[in-house]
Amino acid sequence: KAGVTQTPRYLIKTRGQQVTLSCSPISGHRSVSWYQQTPGQGLQFLFEYFSETQRNKGNFPGRFSGRQFSNSRSEMNVSTLELGDSALYLCASSHPGANVLTFGAGSRLTVL
Amino acid sequence: ELKVEQNPLFLSMQEGKNYTIYCNYSTTSDRLYWYRQDPGKSLESLFVLLSNGAVKQEGRLMASLDTKARLSTLHITAAVHDLSATYFCAVATLNSGGGADGLTFGKGTHLIIQP
Repeated sequence: KAGVTQTPRYLIKTRGQQVTLSCSPISGHRSVSWYQQTPGQGLQFLFEYFSETQRNKGNFPGRFSGRQFSNSRSEMNVSTLELGDSALYLCASSHPGANVLTFGAGSRLTVL
Repeated sequence: ELKVEQNPLFLSMQEGKNYTIYCNYSTTSDRLYWYRQDPGKSLESLFVLLSNGAVKQEGRLMASLDTKARLSTLHITAAVHDLSATYFCAVATLNSGGGADGLTFGKGTHLIIQP
């Protein structure tokens, strides 16, 4: 059974650019959530999607956005990149009613 | 605002010893998670604790939950080098709509086990 797949795994951008990250959940999982991990702030919740609807959002500026498609795949977008956006972005999926979140390997973004 | 505090944040110990990592949280929660992260890797789920008094064990790791004290512990028995990693606790709450809020993570405990 395939796990949570995130692409790309690594990317380098410059300030002011935008980036789109993709997450394919485990088959049958309809909930997808995104987290940002940095050395200074640790792991922080970005947003969660279920059945193409954003259910919850963390305390991040509007430059951070996301969406979910009908096949449960999700994308997040960060516009007007800042140096502080350099981080590991983790996606997690879960089955409805289940309590376990399974994380993907992450997308490591470096902003120069 | 939910706050999750782990201690210690850094722990160096010898193989064969026992130790406990503590996780305190500030508001009522219905689920507490423990994850492991190896350097450069993603998060691996260790335990999910759902009720007061819950205790789960896997190998040399045992986790427990006291919802009244808002405290969870991760106990390591007879540590081995392979358990060296960063351990995170995370707390979830249900929002008013019945969906799950995102997890609030502790800062993590960086554990080094020396031969």
